Amino acid sequence: GQQLNQSPQSMFIQEGEDVSMNCTSSSIFNTWLWYKQDPGEGPVLLIALYKAGELTSNGRLTAQFGITRKDSFLNISASIPSDVGIYFCAPANAGNMLTFGGGTRLMVKP
Amino acid sequence: EADIYQTPRYLVIGTGKKITLECSQTMGHDKMYWYQQDPGMELHLIHYSYGVNSTEKGDLSSESTVSRIRTEHFPLTLESARPSHTSQYLCASSEGLAAIEQFFGPGTRLTVL
Repeated sequence: GQQLNQSPQSMFIQEGEDVSMNCTSSSIFNTWLWYKQDPGEGPVLLIALYKAGELTSNGRLTAQFGITRKDSFLNISASIPSDVGIYFCAPANAGNMLTFGGGTRLMVKP
Repeated sequence: EADIYQTPRYLVIGTGKKITLECSQTMGHDKMYWYQQDPGMELHLIHYSYGVNSTEKGDLSSESTVSRIRTEHFPLTLESARPSHTSQYLCASSEGLAAIEQFFGPGTRLTVL
C-alpha cells in the first residue's frame, strides 16, 4: 500500500521564525491539500494544490506541489502564537478519498 | 466555507449504551464522511456517503453504522458503546461527487467509561 510520511512530527519555535514542513509519498497524487487543526476543533482547509509544480500562497502560508507529484511542502513565514496547532497534508486522486499524513504539531513560544 | 454542525461536542457515557452522533450540513453537499481520530493523531475514514441512501465503509473498520436519509443529515450510531470506542469523531462534507476538498465539523469527543 501507499506510504505517506509527514515531517517533522513536531516543532517548537520562537515567535517570528519561519516554519517549513513537508510530506512525501510512495505514490503519485493529483491533488495535495493542507489542513490545520486547532485543539478540540475539526481541521480547516488552508491551501489546495491541483497542478504539479504549483506554488500557492495564502497570507503568510506558502505551499508547493512537488514536480514528481509525490511530495508537497508548507511554509509559514513570521510565525505568531495563533499558528499553534497540528498541520496535516492530505493528498488525493480525482474522485478518491483523502489520505491524511500523521501531522506536524507546531508550538510557538512568544 | 461549508456550514457543518456536530452534536454533541462532548459525550461521556457508560459501557453498553446506544449512542447517536449527529452531523448536519447546510450547503447541499453530496458527499459526507465520518472520520475517527485519536488525540493528535492522523484521521482515519470510517464511513462515507455519495448521497441519499448511499453509505460505504471506509478504510478503518468500525462497529458503528451510518444512515443518509436526507442530503443534509449523516448520523453515526454505536449500538453498544465500549471503552475502545473512546475517540474524537469528525464529520466532513464535499460539494460534488468529483470534489476533493472536504470541509469539517468541530467534532464530537466521545469517552466511554
